Amino acid sequence: DADVTQTPRNRITKTGKRIMLECSQTKGHDRMYWYRQDPGLGLQLIYYSFDVKDINKGEISDGYSVSRQAQAKFSLSLESAIPNQTALYFCATSEGYGQETQYFGPGTRLLVL
Amino acid sequence: QKEVEQDPGPLSVPEGAIVSLNCTYSNSAFQYFMWYRQYSRKGPELLMYTYSSGNKEDGRFTAQVDKSSKYISLFIRDSQPSDSATYLCAMEGGSEKLVFGKGTKLTVNP
Repeated sequence: DADVTQTPRNRITKTGKRIMLECSQTKGHDRMYWYRQDPGLGLQLIYYSFDVKDINKGEISDGYSVSRQAQAKFSLSLESAIPNQTALYFCATSEGYGQETQYFGPGTRLLVL
Repeated sequence: QKEVEQDPGPLSVPEGAIVSLNCTYSNSAFQYFMWYRQYSRKGPELLMYTYSSGNKEDGRFTAQVDKSSKYISLFIRDSQPSDSATYLCAMEGGSEKLVFGKGTKLTVNP
């Protein structure tokens, strides 16, 4: 089984809808991250969490919110989806404390019409 | 100036060629350097991880870090069609967040 899983893998939604992307990990890592990837822009950090009670905004948090339900679960919500949020979304985890390598999930492809 | 610069390519080489992928950076605090490989429609996967200046070799892959020049490289020897992917450099320097290059798309032609 994959260490970092994301659901759904693909999602089509309409402008104004609220949607949630979910991430689960079995690596036992405290640190979890949400990124979006757009062609030509690389990976942009949306939110990150160093533990269940520590959530921080990344470079592009506007229009997004997150919830860290447990060490293993980190959800990303789009409160009112807009077309320019169409992108590939990745969840990642890391051990931290000097072990900075991040491990990525398979991604969620989101299309906002 | 962006913190991390990476030529997006695309780069197309024949099978068996030596490939050189590079990133430059401006933040002298960076001390952890990584290369990720991303196949189409997949998540990035860690390929190489280095902490200090110098070379690190793993099979056909060699990662090189030159902190004095703020320059890192990934060399792929005897490239194979299965190496066709986008390669992302990433760095970290005390913030506990990675800064990624935009990626270089590589195609190895049979």
